[in-house]
Amino acid sequence: ETGVTQTPRHLVMGMTNKKSLKCEQHLGHNAMYWYKQSAKKPLELMFVYSLEERVENNSVPSRFSPECPNSSHLFLHLHTLQPEDSALYLCASSQDLGHSNQPQHFGDGTRLSIL
Amino acid sequence: GQNIDQPTEMTATEGAIVQINCTYQTSGFNGLFWYQQHAGEAPTFLSYNVLDGLEEKGRFSSFLSRSKGYSYLLLKELQMKDSASYLCAVLDSNYQLIWGAGTKLIIKP
Repeated sequence: ETGVTQTPRHLVMGMTNKKSLKCEQHLGHNAMYWYKQSAKKPLELMFVYSLEERVENNSVPSRFSPECPNSSHLFLHLHTLQPEDSALYLCASSQDLGHSNQPQHFGDGTRLSIL
Repeated sequence: GQNIDQPTEMTATEGAIVQINCTYQTSGFNGLFWYQQHAGEAPTFLSYNVLDGLEEKGRFSSFLSRSKGYSYLLLKELQMKDSASYLCAVLDSNYQLIWGAGTKLIIKP
């Protein structure tokens, strides 16, 4: 078990669909993150949650809507996406926010393709 | 702006040694991380450097020079399973991780 589980692993959707990505961490961490990973580009931080409170929203379009119902679960709700949103979406967690030497632990990601 | 530079791709031979470089310009510095990411899998933590010098962990070592804004990851006795992307990331003054685009390492027999 990786400690951070993401579902689904693959998702194909049309531009008018609504879907959700799910992330669950079993590490007892207090901070959770959503990243977008596109080929040959740096990881793009989308959202950060600390103790279920959103602390970072990096100018992400409103067609992406995060939800953190508790410290173990994180969702990314998707609607009316564009073809350029096709990417690997990674969830990560860390023990706390703002501590130097705590690495982030990642899930395997959801490979999203927009038709 | 903040920037992390690392080579896009490198090729090395099984059993050899390879050094992957990372240079950075960030607003502040609170440490540098290296991660390994196999295709289709999660990035996994390899090392963390906050002080200058070399940190050794088995076949992998990571070096940091804060004055030069430079780090490298050294992989010894390369194995086929080391074929992966290696991501360099710097924690800036706001404790936000700034990521490089990753170096794809190809190991040949």
